[in-house]
Amino acid sequence: GQQLNQSPQSMFIQEGEDVSMNCTSSSIFNTWLWYKQDPGEGPVLLIALYKAGELTSNGRLTAQFGITRKDSFLNISASIPSDVGIYFCAGRFTGNQFYFGTGTSLTVIP
Amino acid sequence: GAVVSQHPSWVICKSGTSVKIECRSLDFQATTMFWYRQFPKQSLMLMATSNEGSKATYEQGVEKDKFLINHASLTLSTLTVTSAHPEDSSFYICAPLQTKNIQYFGAGTRLSVL
Repeated sequence: GQQLNQSPQSMFIQEGEDVSMNCTSSSIFNTWLWYKQDPGEGPVLLIALYKAGELTSNGRLTAQFGITRKDSFLNISASIPSDVGIYFCAGRFTGNQFYFGTGTSLTVIP
Repeated sequence: GAVVSQHPSWVICKSGTSVKIECRSLDFQATTMFWYRQFPKQSLMLMATSNEGSKATYEQGVEKDKFLINHASLTLSTLTVTSAHPEDSSFYICAPLQTKNIQYFGAGTRLSVL
């Protein structure tokens, strides 16, 4: 199936620093979603993007739908310890099938 | 956001027994339901897609007779792992599809087969 490349694979940052991660695809998508997953829990939706170039914020999180429609970015500003977790991107072209990225593991050092 | 209830959150069973996992969308109706499996430190692996009232569509390599999916109503879907074996131990997560083409995930079920 469609593979999404998500990078970086893991990040170790100091509390207060900003975080950037991205997701790239070999195909274009019409929808990009970003999720956060805590250990032992299901992923929780952070941001949904529907149009190329769209920039959407959710508190300290900002995500962008790439102009080429083949990538998306997630930024977290002023990280805090509770930001720790695994972040997944997901893309959809048509139909109901979503394709998931490989995940970015974030560790925030107090 | 939408509320999804998945039950049980953790189950331990003996090899050869069957386990049923329930997934309910509490504040929206879901025509389509996705079931995923996740191994430690890995991404989500789609097992099957079901539409209410229809047979599920299974991904390549997923045994439909082993992982029985029932999607009898717009708010309830079940996954039954039949004759479970230790290699079936994993984290199973449901994701009903909301009308805005967004998947909202259940909290997951950790299955441990002894």
